Amino acid sequence: SQQGEEDPQALSIQEGENATMNCSYKTSINNLQWYRQNSGRGLVHLILIRSNEREKHSGRLRVTLDTSKKSSSLLITASRAADTASYFCATDAGGSNYKLTFGKGTLLTVNP
Amino acid sequence: EAQVTQNPRYLITVTGKKLTVTCSQNMNHEYMSWYRQDPGLGLRQIYYSMNVEVTDKGDVPEGYKVSRKEKRNFPLILESPSPNQTSLYFCASSLAAQGGRETQYFGPGTRLLVL
Repeated sequence: SQQGEEDPQALSIQEGENATMNCSYKTSINNLQWYRQNSGRGLVHLILIRSNEREKHSGRLRVTLDTSKKSSSLLITASRAADTASYFCATDAGGSNYKLTFGKGTLLTVNP
Repeated sequence: EAQVTQNPRYLITVTGKKLTVTCSQNMNHEYMSWYRQDPGLGLRQIYYSMNVEVTDKGDVPEGYKVSRKEKRNFPLILESPSPNQTSLYFCASSLAAQGGRETQYFGPGTRLLVL
């Protein structure tokens, strides 16, 4: 079953602008992760935020988590053409099921 | 270099012809997993393994088999492929047995076409 749902499905911006992607999920989680996928390639882990954290930074990335709203956002500041990719959120719902459940992704296009 | 490798990267086959996609990781990870990615459906987990000789079904296991005889290898077997198994397949690994919940490292993908 799909846990995380990204929004928007697609986003097109100009180089230098900020990009914000959102992820909503249905059940409580232990952690939420964001991954990037360049066209047809393997996913690359970007950042992990735990359920007791509200915000996390990594370089130009800022992730927030609001467990009361069951949502997370990924902000990429000062975007570059190389940021063009699909971005996925993945959630760990805990319990005995040791797995991540991925959303369908947001396709980000950064125009030079 | 720490990595997950998959072979082959591209494969065209015919219905019913058994095939194996290999996956190997050199990071001594306990957890390994297979996903398939289809347009509009995102990534869906096929099987996972928490350690040698320990495997379990994911969300879409029908038509697939796996084995975990060695820690580094986790092959995906399609005994009788069908056209609906045409997809992009990814292998992933994670450090600890609970690592299915933690950061996963993905292979480059195997694009499979079943005619």
